[in-house]
Amino acid sequence: DSGVTQTPKHLITATGQRVTLRCSPRSGDLSVYWYQQSLDQGLQFLIQYYNGEERAKGNILERFSAQQFPDLHSELNLSSLELGDSALYFCASSVAQGAEAFFGQGTRLTVV
Amino acid sequence: KNEVEQSPQNLTAQEGEFITINCSYSVGISALHWLQQHPGGGIVSLFMLSSGKKKHGRLIATINIQEKHSSLHITASHPRDSAVYICAVRVRTQYGGSQGNLIFGKGTKLSVKP
Repeated sequence: DSGVTQTPKHLITATGQRVTLRCSPRSGDLSVYWYQQSLDQGLQFLIQYYNGEERAKGNILERFSAQQFPDLHSELNLSSLELGDSALYFCASSVAQGAEAFFGQGTRLTVV
Repeated sequence: KNEVEQSPQNLTAQEGEFITINCSYSVGISALHWLQQHPGGGIVSLFMLSSGKKKHGRLIATINIQEKHSSLHITASHPRDSAVYICAVRVRTQYGGSQGNLIFGKGTKLSVKP
């Protein structure tokens, strides 16, 4: 158990809908990273938060947004969902920039 | 061209064989990670390397910074080692620091037959 908790584990939703994925980092970790893993693109970095503030952005679509709350948990919001958004979404956390990151079990999103 | 390349893409071995997975990268890095992903989907961090060699049980990871190359070795492979092994790097910034996020290779799918 990495100590990083993601909910839900599975999510099935229809095109056009909006979903929220949740991540609780390891105790004491200030950095949270969101990654998307699709069959054709592999693992790709979406966005990073550090102690409540956005630190870095990767290949995140405008339809997607994220935030990190004062208790350090983070949420990834995906809206106007398309079939191509079906993927595994991972959250990882680390104590500091550049420190080892620990991954959650992922949320498998299926858009039908 | 991807910044992180792994070979082979797929690997089938017999139980007990010595296995090597290779990773080459084209950017300056502050660290390299080897990750394991089982069919259930979860990702486990095996090693984080910035130089030299690390060993954990039957797993050995090495890195050559000058050649921008790393290898993951599995000795006495076992069917439970069957998984996807992913190489990922943390890019070094121009100021000598480190980006937080990882850049991933496409993974090597390992299947160990009994």
